[in-house]
Amino acid sequence: KNEVEQSPQNLTAQEGEFITINCSYSVGISALHWLQQHPGGGIVSLFMLSSGKKKHGRLIATINIQEKHSSLHITASHPRDSAVYICAVRGGNLIFGKGTKLSVKP
Amino acid sequence: DTGVSQDPRHKITKRGQNVTFRCDPISEHNRLYWYRQTLGQGPEFLTYFQNEAQLEKSRLLSDRFSAERPKGSFSTLEIQRTEQGDSAMYLCASSLGGGAADTQYFGPGTRLTVL
Repeated sequence: KNEVEQSPQNLTAQEGEFITINCSYSVGISALHWLQQHPGGGIVSLFMLSSGKKKHGRLIATINIQEKHSSLHITASHPRDSAVYICAVRGGNLIFGKGTKLSVKP
Repeated sequence: DTGVSQDPRHKITKRGQNVTFRCDPISEHNRLYWYRQTLGQGPEFLTYFQNEAQLEKSRLLSDRFSAERPKGSFSTLEIQRTEQGDSAMYLCASSLGGGAADTQYFGPGTRLTVL
């Protein structure tokens, strides 16, 4: 069993839909990261959080430390949001989930 | 563009050849990380440097792999006697320092194909 599990693995949405990607982890952590990876490999850090909730534009990330669970929400999704979203947790080094591939159709 | 660059972006080589990749981190960052990512998987930690010191190596890093950061700035990752299983995206990241507040900035990656 992977230490970081993401769901769903693949997600197709229509433009404008509200999207939720989930991340569960089984190890003790000091922080959790949400990353965005576009085709071609480039990875961008979206959020780093250790408690509560963070918001940046149309993106919202929440974490529940007791339940070892985090969610990434995208409001009013747009085709340019299409990417792989990766959850990574920091215990010692970063441990990554396999990613959720999001496709937003116009 | 995160400010971290990697070269080359793509490398195709024949099995048994040696390859070397370079990573140039953000200049004031003292930590540099190497990761490997295979298709459909998340990145996996390989090794990291604090300045020029290599502080940790994953067991994924076999003796065919060697990484250096000679002056605490750019880093190289060399793979000797490449195997088809080495085909992957090799990602480099840099950060200001450790701790829970540390944010890593990723380069675009080097995609290696071993024929």
